[in-house]
Amino acid sequence: QKEVEQDPGPLSVPEGAIVSLNCTYSNSAFQYFMWYRQYSRKGPELLMYTYSSGNKEDGRFTAQVDKSSKYISLFIRDSQPSDSATYLCAMATNAGKSTFGDGTTLTVKP
Amino acid sequence: KAGVTQTPRYLIKTRGQQVTLSCSPISGHRSVSWYQQTPGQGLQFLFEYFSETQRNKGNFPGRFSGRQFSNSRSEMNVSTLELGDSALYLCASSNTGYTEAFFGQGTRLTVV
Repeated sequence: QKEVEQDPGPLSVPEGAIVSLNCTYSNSAFQYFMWYRQYSRKGPELLMYTYSSGNKEDGRFTAQVDKSSKYISLFIRDSQPSDSATYLCAMATNAGKSTFGDGTTLTVKP
Repeated sequence: KAGVTQTPRYLIKTRGQQVTLSCSPISGHRSVSWYQQTPGQGLQFLFEYFSETQRNKGNFPGRFSGRQFSNSRSEMNVSTLELGDSALYLCASSNTGYTEAFFGQGTRLTVV
């Protein structure tokens, strides 16, 4: 079983929809939680970074971490065609190694 | 501020050859991590260097090695290339090594 499981997708939504992307994990030592966005033929780009349980908001993006359930989510409000990309969750321990989910490909249709 | 630079962007090699990839991190960042990305396996952690020392290592064979120089630039070497080594190799630069990592564009390696 993988340490990080990400909803595989692909996901296709109309412009303006609310998108929910989710990951679960099994390693209780994970303390840092990140979301990356990767456009085709590009490297991943850091979107959100959180340390503790709770919500963190940045514009149209909200990251949610529930350590008790070992579950993290990324919500995108008012989705735009430019949000079409692959989204990767990542988690890290204090030991300095990040583990990534396999990614969810999102398409936002105009 | 310049981003993470990886060279070369594309590479075609023959089975059995070796290859060296280069990564220049963001100025001031001391940690460089390397990842292999393939459609079937996703993003797999290779190793991380921090201040010229390998601090973490993933589950890859010894054919994969790396080093970091005093200016934080890093190189990754793959010896005796196999067809399965064809992938996008990404490096990530970070201040701490495990949070807020910034990725380069990657080197796409094709082994024929």
